[in-house]
Amino acid sequence: DARVTQTPRHKVTEMGQEVTMRCQPILGHNTVFWYRQTMMQGLELLAYFRNRAPLDDSGMPKDRFSAEMPDATLATLKIQPSEPRDSAVYFCASGSQLNYGYTFGSGTRLTVV
Amino acid sequence: AQSVAQPEDQVNVAEGNPLTVKCTYSVSGNPYLFWYVQYPNRGLQFLLKYITGDNLVKGSYGFEAEFNKSQTSFHLKKPSALVSDSALYFCAALTGGGNKLTFGTGTQLKVEL
Repeated sequence: DARVTQTPRHKVTEMGQEVTMRCQPILGHNTVFWYRQTMMQGLELLAYFRNRAPLDDSGMPKDRFSAEMPDATLATLKIQPSEPRDSAVYFCASGSQLNYGYTFGSGTRLTVV
Repeated sequence: AQSVAQPEDQVNVAEGNPLTVKCTYSVSGNPYLFWYVQYPNRGLQFLLKYITGDNLVKGSYGFEAEFNKSQTSFHLKKPSALVSDSALYFCAALTGGGNKLTFGTGTQLKVEL
C-alpha cells in the first residue's frame, strides 16, 4: 500500500533549537496538509499546499514556523526557535482532488525541553 | 464559519451491541465528509467518505455512515461493536471552497466485554 512517510518519528530538542520535520507524500497526490495534535487543542491545521503552492498557512505562528515544498516528493515544516509549547505530534497528510482520498503519515512526536 | 462538531467526547458500548458516533457539520455548498480512526500512538486511518450518491456509505472494518442533509449529520455506525474498535474517531469535512480538511474534536470509543 502507498503511504505517507514522515521523518523523524520522534524528536527531542532543547528550547531555542531549530527543528525540521519532513514528509514524503504519496506519488501523484497534489495536496499536502500539515496538522498538529495536542491533548488540549486536538487536531489543528497548520498549512496546506496544492501542486506545491501554499494555499493557506494561517494556522501557523508566522514568527517561528515555516512550511515549504521544495519539490513534489518533499514537504518540510520548520520551527525556529522551538519552544516547549510546540511539543506535540505533527502529522502530514496527502491526497488528490480526483478521489478525495487523504492519507496520513505516522506523525513526528516533538518534545521541546 | 464552516465547522464540524462531535458532541460526545466519549462513547461506551458493550461488545456485540450496535454503536453510533455522532457528527454534525456546517459547510457551504455540497458537503464532502469523512471519518477517520486513530489508535494509540498511530496516525489517522481513513474509514469512509461521502462525496455524492447514496446516503448510506459503507467503509472499512464493517463501519458505515449515514448522511442526512436535513439534519446536517453524518453519524458513524456499526451493527456489532468489537473490543478492537476501541479508538479515537474523527469526523472531517472539506471546507474553504473544498480546499481545507477540517476535523471535529474527536470521540473516544470504548468497547467493553
